[in-house]
This record gives sequence, structure tokens and C-alpha cells, in this order.
Amino acid sequence: DAKTTQPNSMESNEEEPVHLPCNHSTISGTDYIHWYRQLPSQGPEYVIHGLTSNVNNRMASLAIAEDRKSSTLILHRATLRDAAVYYCILRTGGYQKVTFGTGTKLQVIP
Amino acid sequence: DAGVIQSPRHEVTEMGQEVTLRCKPISGHDYLFWYRQTMMRGLELLIYFNNNVPIDDSGMPEDRFSAKMPNASFSTLKIQPSEPRDSAVYFCASSRTGGSDIQYFGAGTRLSVL
Repeated sequence: DAKTTQPNSMESNEEEPVHLPCNHSTISGTDYIHWYRQLPSQGPEYVIHGLTSNVNNRMASLAIAEDRKSSTLILHRATLRDAAVYYCILRTGGYQKVTFGTGTKLQVIP
Repeated sequence: DAGVIQSPRHEVTEMGQEVTLRCKPISGHDYLFWYRQTMMRGLELLIYFNNNVPIDDSGMPEDRFSAKMPNASFSTLKIQPSEPRDSAVYFCASSRTGGSDIQYFGAGTRLSVL
């Protein structure tokens, strides 16, 4: 599996935007970029995914670099409920096996 | 839909005992995954099934672990005999072909082996 690199932890003030970076310099042309998050004492939940173009959904936005070697998950207004570990994962299209890294632990400060 | 349902939520057992974890995937999903999460190793994929058939069990730690999927709505992960180092949170997830490979996770089973 292609690897991703994320900071171990980040902090954000409540109601401020948060930009969570992910490096994936060995990404291949068929790899999708997926983001999951894991709230305390819960299973991971899907946040967003993309291939080449930037993506928006009700939870977040995903900005993908032109060379696809990095991406950024954007939470537009962090709330206390967004405090979680965020995982950036590469998924080869149609291939089910994935590897979760250590993720970024986001702390939201009231 | 109720989502992926795992039972029990917590299991405490003694070393040497058999442990069975259960999972009901989301209806209509044809892939089912078992993961284990520990502080030391993070989230690891143990095994996954497609249409009830095991596809990749390379993550299963040893012969003490076994998983079955007798039908599309039920799967078990069994540990026999259990050891203290098996203590972890075990997650089940499901996904469907054509669903953008999005996996939906259950709430997990926290296993403590004393």
C-alpha cells in the first residue's frame, strides 16, 4: 500500500477553520484519497474522499494538490464534537484492503 | 438502516477461554471486514469477506483466531484459547460494491483477557 504521512496532533480553536494535512508522495494514478475520523470510544467513520478534484460535502472539504502528492482536509468551523483522530488513507479503486496509519489527533479548544 | 451491529460491546474473560465476537453488517453490503485496534499497533485489518467468502486473512495473527461468515447478515470472530495480549477493541465494518469503497464501522467490542 502507498503510505501517507500526517502530523501526530493538531489544535484548533472552536469555530475556527481547521486544515489537516496529509502527504502521499508515492500515490499512484488509481489511488483515491479517503479520510475517516474516529471519535472517542467509537468506530471510524467516513468523512470524504476524492481522486483529483477538490470535493465538498456536508462534513468537510478536501483539497487535493495538483500533483496529488498531498491533500488537506478542511473543517470550516471546528466544534467540540470534531475532536477526533483523523485518518488519511489511500484506496486503490476497487481494491478493498486498506491500511490505517496513526492519524492526526485533533484537539478543539473552547 | 441500523448500521453495523456488533455484540457484545464489552467482553471480559480469563486466559484460556474461548471468545466469540459477533457482527451484523448493513443489509445489502457484500464486503465485511474485521479489524483490531490497540494502542501499540493502531487499527489493523485482520480479515475480510466478499459475498461470505474469505478473501484475505493475512492479518489474522495466528491459528487461535478464526472468522466465519455463514450468511450475508452475520459473521463471527473467534479466539480460542484467548490470551492477555488479545486484549483490544475489535471492529467490524461493511461496504458494498459500487459504494465508492466506503466502509461503515460498528461501535466495536472491547475485549479484556485477564
